[in-house]
Amino acid sequence: AQKVTQAQTEISVVEKEDVTLDCVYETRDTTYYLFWYKQPPSGELVFLIRRNSFDEQNEISGRYSWNFQKSTSSFNFTITASQVVDSAVYFCALSLFNTDKLIFGTGTRLQVFP
Amino acid sequence: IAGITQAPTSQILAAGRRMTLRCTQDMRHNAMYWYRQDLGLGLRLIHYSNTAGTTGKGEVPDGYSVSRANTDDFPLTLASAVPSQTSVYFCARTRTGEETQYFGPGTRLLVL
Repeated sequence: AQKVTQAQTEISVVEKEDVTLDCVYETRDTTYYLFWYKQPPSGELVFLIRRNSFDEQNEISGRYSWNFQKSTSSFNFTITASQVVDSAVYFCALSLFNTDKLIFGTGTRLQVFP
Repeated sequence: IAGITQAPTSQILAAGRRMTLRCTQDMRHNAMYWYRQDLGLGLRLIHYSNTAGTTGKGEVPDGYSVSRANTDDFPLTLASAVPSQTSVYFCARTRTGEETQYFGPGTRLLVL
């Protein structure tokens, strides 16, 4: 069975601190996709990134970076120099090839204080 | 921009009543999904449809039904609502091969 674990329920940081959100996944399939979504206080789900299982290159987008390591089944998300606007619930998710069905973690609530 | 709308935004419903949550997309994507979000549980798939005319069951389908008469609309029906169906419901769309799902704004449902 597939599973996504986000062990950090809630993280609080002060603005400008770096913060890493952990994501560990379980699957026996060799082809899969990993995602991060952001849910700000307004409630919508915003797509941040998709990674396929054959691409372990880390990705950076502005203050956001993602570290995908198949050896540890992890897909961690780092925010550099956090800002108050980063305050949200962040979800990691997994989908298997040709299914499109997302399996979500339980989310990590990030609070960034000024 | 998700290209997907949901209605109503929120609803309070008496237990035992029938309710249909609406979901409409304007991207002509073939696949659509319904999820429910509950505190501490993340999002769980209720039903999905890979193309117009077909539907499938997700992780938590009991008490819900869906239909997909055309590409754009994917309504979710609670035939007889129960308090445990109090949740936030999200509809999503994707195009086969794209893998990424884009979500609507959600419907907050309270069943009393």
